[in-house]
Amino acid sequence: DAKTTQPNSMESNEEEPVHLPCNHSTISGTDYIHWYRQLPSQGPEYVIHGLTSNVNNRMASLAIAEDRKSSTLILHRATLRDAAVYYCILSSGYGNKLVFGAGTILRVKS
Amino acid sequence: EAQVTQNPRYLITVTGKKLTVTCSQNMNHEYMSWYRQDPGLGLRQIYYSMNVEVTDKGDVPEGYKVSRKEKRNFPLILESPSPNQTSLYFCASSWGRGTGELFFGEGSRLTVL
Repeated sequence: DAKTTQPNSMESNEEEPVHLPCNHSTISGTDYIHWYRQLPSQGPEYVIHGLTSNVNNRMASLAIAEDRKSSTLILHRATLRDAAVYYCILSSGYGNKLVFGAGTILRVKS
Repeated sequence: EAQVTQNPRYLITVTGKKLTVTCSQNMNHEYMSWYRQDPGLGLRQIYYSMNVEVTDKGDVPEGYKVSRKEKRNFPLILESPSPNQTSLYFCASSWGRGTGELFFGEGSRLTVL
């Protein structure tokens, strides 16, 4: 199964952009790239997902490398409420075996 | 309100006493899944279901059973719980084949003594 690799932790200043990287060198052609985040004492929350093209939504942007072996979640202006564990996840188009990375702890400083 | 509801939210039990954690979603989702979360290990998938009567193993299915007799419900069954099943459990659901947005429940914290 394809795995993801993320940095253990990152730190950002409030109101600055944050780029959270994810490596998935063994991704297959049918794997979607998902990002979720988990705030303390809560269930994971969907952030964004994509297959090949870059994606934007109200929460974030997802930049996918041309070879799809890596991706970057971009938070355009970090707030204190964005402090969470961010998970980069691959989901196969068939069978739905979701593979969670270890996650990146994002700390936001005021 | 669209939601995934898990019960119980907290449970302390003893080794070998069968228990069921229920999961219900009100969004008519086809796909449902169970995860466990342990410190330092992130979330690991236990079982998933693509539709009624269709279930399959995730990464850590040992010691668990599931059933999907109705679209809205996906209970997680621990026939003979052991201390290594002490964990935080999450149920999730989504449209279609699980490639879209997953909606997670609030979690069920289980302690097996």
